[in-house]
Amino acid sequence: GQQLNQSPQSMFIQEGEDVSMNCTSSSIFNTWLWYKQDPGEGPVLLIALYKAGELTSNGRLTAQFGITRKDSFLNISASIPSDVGIYFCAGQPRDTGNQFYFGTGTSLTVIP
Amino acid sequence: SAVISQKPSRDICQRGTSLTIQCQVDSQVTMMFWYRQQPGQSLTLIATANQGSEATYESGFVIDKFPISRPNLTFSTLTVSNMSPEDSSIYLCSVGASSWSEQYFGPGTRLTVT
Repeated sequence: GQQLNQSPQSMFIQEGEDVSMNCTSSSIFNTWLWYKQDPGEGPVLLIALYKAGELTSNGRLTAQFGITRKDSFLNISASIPSDVGIYFCAGQPRDTGNQFYFGTGTSLTVIP
Repeated sequence: SAVISQKPSRDICQRGTSLTIQCQVDSQVTMMFWYRQQPGQSLTLIATANQGSEATYESGFVIDKFPISRPNLTFSTLTVSNMSPEDSSIYLCSVGASSWSEQYFGPGTRLTVT
């Protein structure tokens, strides 16, 4: 299957700091999604991206669809304690109709 | 987005038994999917649940082990058959308007096999 490399694997930051994480693939993707998963819960969709170069915001979160169509980035500005969780990217390759492949996740800890 | 519920939320089962997980959506949806998330890992697609026909399974997953039903556009079940400890995972259903659109997830079913 497709390999989605997500980095960093984990982050420990002070409250108020900005956060950046990214996801890269070996093939071209049509769609990128970013999710947040809290313990014991299902992933919650944060941002969906459909076009190369697209930059989309959701509150303090901003995500970009990379120009090469092989990567995506998620930024969180002015982090707060409730940002704690695991963030997953998901991408849909151009040559498959259905499947989204998920990254390995970035575990975010915010220190008050 | 749709409201998705799953039953049970968690269960502890003995090896060799089977468990059926239900996924209910509050509105009709075109696409329904089942994922597995092993402890501390990412999500892996098991199958696409097709309404009125057999599910489409991904590589490594077979119907005998994970039979799926989808009798209508709001409901699906996943059965984990003849369970072993390796089946201990979170099982998640997701829904989407189309095969290429964003997916929304249910809360998951946490399964432990002893």
